[in-house]
Amino acid sequence: DVKVTQSSRYLVKRTGEKVFLECVQDMDHENMFWYRQDPGLGLRLIYFSYDVKMKEKGDIPEGYSVSREKKERFSLILESASTNQTSMYLCASTWGGPTYEQYFGPGTRLTVT
Amino acid sequence: QQQVKQSPQSLIVQKGGISIINCAYENTAFDYFPWYQQFPGKGPALLIAIRPDVSEKKEGRFTISFNKSAKQFSLHIMDSQPGDSATYFCAAWKTSYDKVIFGPGTSLSVIP
Repeated sequence: DVKVTQSSRYLVKRTGEKVFLECVQDMDHENMFWYRQDPGLGLRLIYFSYDVKMKEKGDIPEGYSVSREKKERFSLILESASTNQTSMYLCASTWGGPTYEQYFGPGTRLTVT
Repeated sequence: QQQVKQSPQSLIVQKGGISIINCAYENTAFDYFPWYQQFPGKGPALLIAIRPDVSEKKEGRFTISFNKSAKQFSLHIMDSQPGDSATYFCAAWKTSYDKVIFGPGTSLSVIP
């Protein structure tokens, strides 16, 4: 069964802290994505990765960085958390082939106080 | 040009009724149009998808209607059930670039 897991379901951090969100997929997928989900705005792409050590900026990369050292693992890093980064963060992966189906993790609800 | 518009923002439908959610896009480079269903506490899951060379696709009670010239597509849920209550996202995908743009979502409530 296809699985994308995220390291935490809920996280509370203070302004200025460095925050790591981790995502692991067990499907040998090439592509991995980080989105944030906010009411009324849908899912917005932060970063994506086509391969190990490869990364591309999405639509809202400011304030975030990513790391992909292994194929199955994609980390999102908030260098200095701010209150406007309070959101639901979703990780997804795709094989990149003809099905184009994105498999999503359950999400991490991050609150920055 | 990258935006995907979705309406309505929320929808209440009686059990057994038809739920209709509409989306519109601007960029003609999009070539794959999926719909995702998201239940509270879960990540979105692919529900049904269509390519622009087809005007309609049906899977069970779910149908996508696609109007290429109008750059619009819609999801129809026939015989809506309380278990269909969820948030629905349309999306547009440029498969050559493997980048998806999501609509803002529609919260559907199906009442008994």
